[in-house]
Amino acid sequence: GDSVTQMEGPVTLSEEAFLTINCTYTATGYPSLFWYVQYPGEGLQLLLKATKADDKGSNKGFEATYRKETTSFHLEKGSVQVSDSAVYFCALSEGTGRRALTFGSGTRLQVQP
Amino acid sequence: NAGVTQTPKFQVLKTGQSMTLQCAQDMNHEYMSWYRQDPGMGLRLIHYSVGAGITDQGEVPNGYNVSRSTTEDFPLRLLSAAPSQTSVYFCASSYSVRGQGNTIYFGEGSWLTVV
Repeated sequence: GDSVTQMEGPVTLSEEAFLTINCTYTATGYPSLFWYVQYPGEGLQLLLKATKADDKGSNKGFEATYRKETTSFHLEKGSVQVSDSAVYFCALSEGTGRRALTFGSGTRLQVQP
Repeated sequence: NAGVTQTPKFQVLKTGQSMTLQCAQDMNHEYMSWYRQDPGMGLRLIHYSVGAGITDQGEVPNGYNVSRSTTEDFPLRLLSAAPSQTSVYFCASSYSVRGQGNTIYFGEGSWLTVV
């Protein structure tokens, strides 16, 4: 079945540092890939997505590129802020049939001033 | 979280009690689903529906029932609550556009504690 593997956290960075959160996946078809963010006590917000190989999703300074050859969708940001502190989830959806999301276990990011 | 409304936001239940988590969306999406979120495990699919009158099981369906009598509503019922059902529950709805994949919207979550 489908699965998503994320790097374990917490990831602790200083403000303005470069961020990478690794995400790899296994899927039987050609899934869409997503990054969701969850701030403390809140629900999930879609951060960015990519629907096919070599697509780059971007939003709020975050980027991720759909790499079919390495089955990866790593999240990057050039300069993090304290307000980016949250839990980040990588997910995939096959796009057909039940169209459910398969989530990674989440990576907590803590940004220190 | 435009358009997906969950209630209640917080609930404490005693073991053996039953309750219903409500979910409604006003975007006319065919597809709706319920997930639970547990520490260190991401979100797992409980049940889903591809349209009114159609439901199916996800990864962790035991102890839960759903129905989909209308496009807008997708309630989740706990039949006899157990402490293992203490979790955060998220409802989602989505649509799919050819060439653009799925766009999935989540509700704000329902925090459930079973004592």
